Order: sequence, then C-alpha cells, then structure tokens
Amino acid sequence: AQSVSQHNHHVILSEAASLELGCNYSYGGTVNLFWYVQYPGQHLQLLLKYFSGDPLVKGIKGFEAEFIKSKFSFNLRKPSVQWSDTAEYFCAVTGNAGNMLTFGGGTRLMVKP
Amino acid sequence: EAQVTQNPRYLITVTGKKLTVTCSQNMNHEYMSWYRQDPGLGLRQIYYSMNVEVTDKGDVPEGYKVSRKEKRNFPLILESPSPNQTSLYFCASSFADGYEQFFGPGTRLTVL
Repeated sequence: AQSVSQHNHHVILSEAASLELGCNYSYGGTVNLFWYVQYPGQHLQLLLKYFSGDPLVKGIKGFEAEFIKSKFSFNLRKPSVQWSDTAEYFCAVTGNAGNMLTFGGGTRLMVKP
Repeated sequence: EAQVTQNPRYLITVTGKKLTVTCSQNMNHEYMSWYRQDPGLGLRQIYYSMNVEVTDKGDVPEGYKVSRKEKRNFPLILESPSPNQTSLYFCASSFADGYEQFFGPGTRLTVL
C-alpha cells in the first residue's frame, strides 16, 4: 500500500522568508504527485502536479516542487512567502495503475506579516 | 462554471439517524471519491467510483455507503451515524483515476 508522510506539521514563517515543505512517499511503481492547498475555510485547490518529464515542476502563486525519484521525495518550495500563503498544504500521490489518491497528514503554514 | 457541489454544507445530527450527503459534478468526470478530513490525519479516502455502478472501498469505508447510479452524482450515506464520524467531508471528481481531482466545498458533520 502506498503512503505519504509530511514531516512538518506546523510551520511559522515571517513574510519574505523562503519555504520548503517536505513530502516523502512510499510506492513501488510509477507515481503521479500532487500538492494541494487549503486556505482557511475553503476547499482544496491544486497547486501543482507531476506526471512525467522535467522533475522540477512550477505551479501557481510562485510555488514549485522537485521530484527526486531516488529519495522518493516531492518537496514544495517558494522563495519568498506572503501573508496570503497562510494555509494548510497537502502532498498526495497516486500510482498510475488505478490506485487511489493518498494524502499526507498536511502541513499548516502560518506566515506572520 | 465547472464545479463540484455538496449538500448540506453543515449538518448536526444525533447518533443513529440516517443521513445522506449529496455530491454532484458538472464536468462529465468518470472518477469520483469521498474523503474525510480530521486534524493531523490529512484526508483519508472513504469510497471511490471509477464509473457508473462501479464503486470500491478506500482507506476508511466502515460505517459508510455510496452509490453511483448516474455519472454526475455520488451520494455518501451514513446508515447509522456515530460520534466518531464527526468530521469534515469532501467529495472530489476527476477525468480518470490518477488525474487531478477537483474538490467540493466540504460538508462539516457533527454527530451528537
């Protein structure tokens, strides 16, 4: 069975600080990888996704993630966070053989103005 | 507007009183699923459906039922709700399994 772990449960940063959220997965085959964001009181929205090709993926709002196959990782990064990035971030993975989407436990990010 | 809708958005009920949370999508997606979100546990899949009349269990199916009689609708049924089913529930749909999922606004359920 596949699993996803997000190492940081809560992160507090000041505006303009750089962000990196860790995500590791366990799955033996080819994977599709996602980062979703949930702003306070809202539903989940897709930030970015990786299916194949360039392992450095760029998403919306200046976010990017790098797929490192050898480390089973898909870390999310942003060079300079803003107060409006305060949200909960979820990493998710699905295999390409009809497996279900599995989410990590989420990382709650608070950006102080 | 392409969207996933859920009703009701908020529900407070009592133990044992059957309830249904509806989910509908207007994107002609084949794949639909239900998740529950609990603090520190992220989202856990309850049930999913690959197509009409095709449903399967996710990680936490106990105490839930689903049906997929039409492509656009995927209701979640709690035959006899219990307090441990108090949670935030999300319905999602996608073009096919493995693709980006589009989420509904969520249903916050409290079972007393």
